[in-house]
Amino acid sequence: EPEVTQTPSHQVTQMGQEVILRCVPISNHLYFYWYRQILGQKVEFLVSFYNNEISEKSEIFDDQFSVERPDGSNFTLKIRSTKLEDSAMYFCASSVGAALNEKLFFGSGTQLSVL
Amino acid sequence: GNSVTQMEGPVTLSEEAFLTINCTYTATGYPSLFWYVQYPGEGLQLLLKATKADDKGSNKGFEATYRKETTSFHLEKGSVQVSDSAVYFCALGGRDDKIIFGKGTRLHILP
Repeated sequence: EPEVTQTPSHQVTQMGQEVILRCVPISNHLYFYWYRQILGQKVEFLVSFYNNEISEKSEIFDDQFSVERPDGSNFTLKIRSTKLEDSAMYFCASSVGAALNEKLFFGSGTQLSVL
Repeated sequence: GNSVTQMEGPVTLSEEAFLTINCTYTATGYPSLFWYVQYPGEGLQLLLKATKADDKGSNKGFEATYRKETTSFHLEKGSVQVSDSAVYFCALGGRDDKIIFGKGTRLHILP
């Protein structure tokens, strides 16, 4: 089965530094997502992306966050100035159609640790 | 707003035991309901789904029935295996383009 690939699997950074989390969605998918899970808490929606623009974002996704699909294959999440509370597992997902109707395919996640 | 509540884990069972993981939801309208599973070292995978009241989703011996009257979508399996050890997430999808997940329930199956 095709899969979503995320890199790196672990990222350690200092508070205030910028990080870029990378994802390669499944090639024929049109909808892209980022979720995160802080240890012991719920998997939280961050943002959805369709047709080269953000279609939905949560209150977590503030001005420090941005997403980009620079080359038609990669889908990146940038955190401009990391905070301690950004430490979490970040999951990328993609789907053929909208999440309501279609199966989401998730990557195995990037564990971000902000020191 | 929409939310999902599922039973706290970890849940530890012996092989061949009966499994129930409870899930209840709060939502406006008529959401779709999902169970996702995360095996160690892997991403979340869709296990089953139901899109309307009284629908039963099933896969790999797991079942869940969409109960509108009790706003529930409990996951069941008649005889669990060691390979079922994983984290299970109940989730719902509304008209907007996002899935709301529960906290996850870790399941340990002992041989």
